[in-house]
Amino acid sequence: TQLLEQSPQFLSIQEGENLTVYCNSSSVFSSLQWYRQEPGEGPVLLVTVVTGGEVKKLKRLTFQFGDARKDSSLHITAAQPGDTGLYLCAGVLNDSWGKLQFGAGTQVVVTP
Amino acid sequence: NAGVMQNPRHLVRRRGQEARLRCSPMKGHSHVYWYRQLPEEGLKFMVYLQKENSIDESGMPKERFSAEFPKEGPSILRIQQVVRGDSAAYFCASSTLPARLTTSYEQYFGPGTRLTVT
Repeated sequence: TQLLEQSPQFLSIQEGENLTVYCNSSSVFSSLQWYRQEPGEGPVLLVTVVTGGEVKKLKRLTFQFGDARKDSSLHITAAQPGDTGLYLCAGVLNDSWGKLQFGAGTQVVVTP
Repeated sequence: NAGVMQNPRHLVRRRGQEARLRCSPMKGHSHVYWYRQLPEEGLKFMVYLQKENSIDESGMPKERFSAEFPKEGPSILRIQQVVRGDSAAYFCASSTLPARLTTSYEQYFGPGTRLTVT
C-alpha cells in the first residue's frame, strides 16, 4: 500500500483546459515535493512545499500544501501539450533522513 | 549544467551475474539516495549514503544488494547474482544538505539505469 495516494491515476484533457491532481495521506510530512517524469528519464523536481497551507505558483502550475501537512494538490491552468507527463508527489516524514515516500503517480495527457 | 550522472543507462545481465550501477552526484552534493522503480510500481527508497558512510539501508533487500559512496569517485549500487525480479529502473538522487538539518528538503535525480535480467 502507498503511503501517499494520488488521484486520478490517469487524466486526459484537451489543450486549454484546467486540471487538478491530488495527493493524500493519513501521515504528516515535514515537506512535500512534486516531480514530473518523462518516459525513460528521471523525475524532475518542480516544487517543494514545507509550511501547512502554503501555496506556490510556477507559471501556470499552482501547488498547495494542506493545513495539516497531510495532503497536497497540483493545479494546471490552460494546459498545453508540453504539460504531458507523469506527475509524482513525494513526501518526507519527520526523522526519516530525508528519504522520499512517493505516490504512484498521475499520468497526464494533453492533446492539441 | 552538470546534473546527477548515472551509468550505464541500460544494462543487460543474465541470471546469476553481477550488476554494478554508478552514480555521480551533482557538484557540491555529498548525500546520495538510491531508489528503485519496478514495472507498474512507484519509486521505492533503497538506501541513503553520505561519503564513506551508509546512513539508512532500510529499503535495501537483505541479501545480494549493497551500496557504497567512497571518499573519491561515484556511488556504486551492486547487485550480486541477479534474478529476473531485479529488472527495474534504478535512480539515484543527490542532495547538498544533511536531511536532518533542513525541512526544506530537495533531491535531484539522475536519468536512471534500466536493468534487464534475462
